[in-house]
Amino acid sequence: AQKVTQAQTEISVVEKEDVTLDCVYETRDTTYYLFWYKQPPSGELVFLIRRNSFDEQNEISGRYSWNFQKSTSSFNFTITASQVVDSAVYFCALSSSGSARQLTFGSGTQLTVLP
Amino acid sequence: EAQVTQNPRYLITVTGKKLTVTCSQNMNHEYMSWYRQDPGLGLRQIYYSMNVEVTDKGDVPEGYKVSRKEKRNFPLILESPSPNQTSLYFCASSYSLRSSYNEQFFGPGTRLTVL
Repeated sequence: AQKVTQAQTEISVVEKEDVTLDCVYETRDTTYYLFWYKQPPSGELVFLIRRNSFDEQNEISGRYSWNFQKSTSSFNFTITASQVVDSAVYFCALSSSGSARQLTFGSGTQLTVLP
Repeated sequence: EAQVTQNPRYLITVTGKKLTVTCSQNMNHEYMSWYRQDPGLGLRQIYYSMNVEVTDKGDVPEGYKVSRKEKRNFPLILESPSPNQTSLYFCASSYSLRSSYNEQFFGPGTRLTVL
């Protein structure tokens, strides 16, 4: 069985603050993939990043960065200098080689960026 | 444009009245899946299909049926909808899940209300 935990249900920050969204996962497989999706108020799911279990390098894309740590089974997502347009629900998800059919989602974190 | 389409986008119906939500992808993807999204629960998989005529249950299949007669289409059928099936539904597809690396592309969502 695999599981994804996003302990932060809601986060509220003021524009230009940095914010980190936590994601902790569980899987027995050694090969797996982690994802982050963004769901803006319009409702669609927007793919942000994919990371495989063999690549622990952190990644930066503009104001977004991801910190993958296998030792703590975490895949945290940081937004630097947040903007109002970052307000959305963010989902972390896991796909393991042992259950390749399934993408397991966390419960999501609602991020609100205030002007 | 590569996309996953769902219809209808919004539906209000009454208990017991059979309905079908259509899903179609134009990317020649083998794998298709249905999820439901509920507050605090993230997205949960209902059914998935590895290819034409191959379908299997996800985590929450009760009350739903699917079929995969053509590669591009994967309709979700609610034979006798009940209020607990009120939810936001997403269809997704990916090239193959032989490798769980493959990103899943999501449709725009169908918001279903069962009165």
